[in-house]
Amino acid sequence: SQQGEEDPQALSIQEGENATMNCSYKTSINNLQWYRQNSGRGLVHLILIRSNEREKHSGRLRVTLDTSKKSSSLLITASRAADTASYFCATGLGGAQKLVFGQGTRLTINP
Amino acid sequence: NAGVMQNPRHLVRRRGQEARLRCSPMKGHSHVYWYRQLPEEGLKFMVYLQKENIIDESGMPKERFSAEFPKEGPSILRIQQVVRGDSAAYFCASSLEVEEKLFFGSGTQLSVL
Repeated sequence: SQQGEEDPQALSIQEGENATMNCSYKTSINNLQWYRQNSGRGLVHLILIRSNEREKHSGRLRVTLDTSKKSSSLLITASRAADTASYFCATGLGGAQKLVFGQGTRLTINP
Repeated sequence: NAGVMQNPRHLVRRRGQEARLRCSPMKGHSHVYWYRQLPEEGLKFMVYLQKENIIDESGMPKERFSAEFPKEGPSILRIQQVVRGDSAAYFCASSLEVEEKLFFGSGTQLSVL
């Protein structure tokens, strides 16, 4: 299965701390994406990293990709209460293929 | 530029009825995907469509489920003879190009009584 698996399943930290979530996958990929989902809402795209990239930044987000280990990490720096959400990684294989999502990490930021 | 529009937001059906879920992709997007999400779980791929074509339906049950994306109008996910196990949130997403970032709708919460 190509499906990504996030780790940990749940993470609870204090506001201002950094949050790190990991994603592992099994097959070759074309790109890896991270999404956020607030409770009861659709997913919102955060960042896309291609297989030939190792690191990407967007505001307080930092994503790394290690294709040799088939893993990615999402770092949220200086967390805020509004960052409380579920975070999903999704992998794309190339061609006319759908994105495959992992189970997600439930992040709770405590004020 | 409106985002991905899904309707209805909530749909209640009794066992054996039909459910029709609609999705209008973002303007200019020709790739549409349907996903299903059970509580506390990730999204499960169901079907990927382009205009008038089903590209990949490997995640969709063979019976009772069908999807279309006609030349004109929204994409439709149709579930016939619904059962309680069909209760879930159904999300539609669209993209400009295949595998580029997806734009999601707010989903349809289907409840089967």
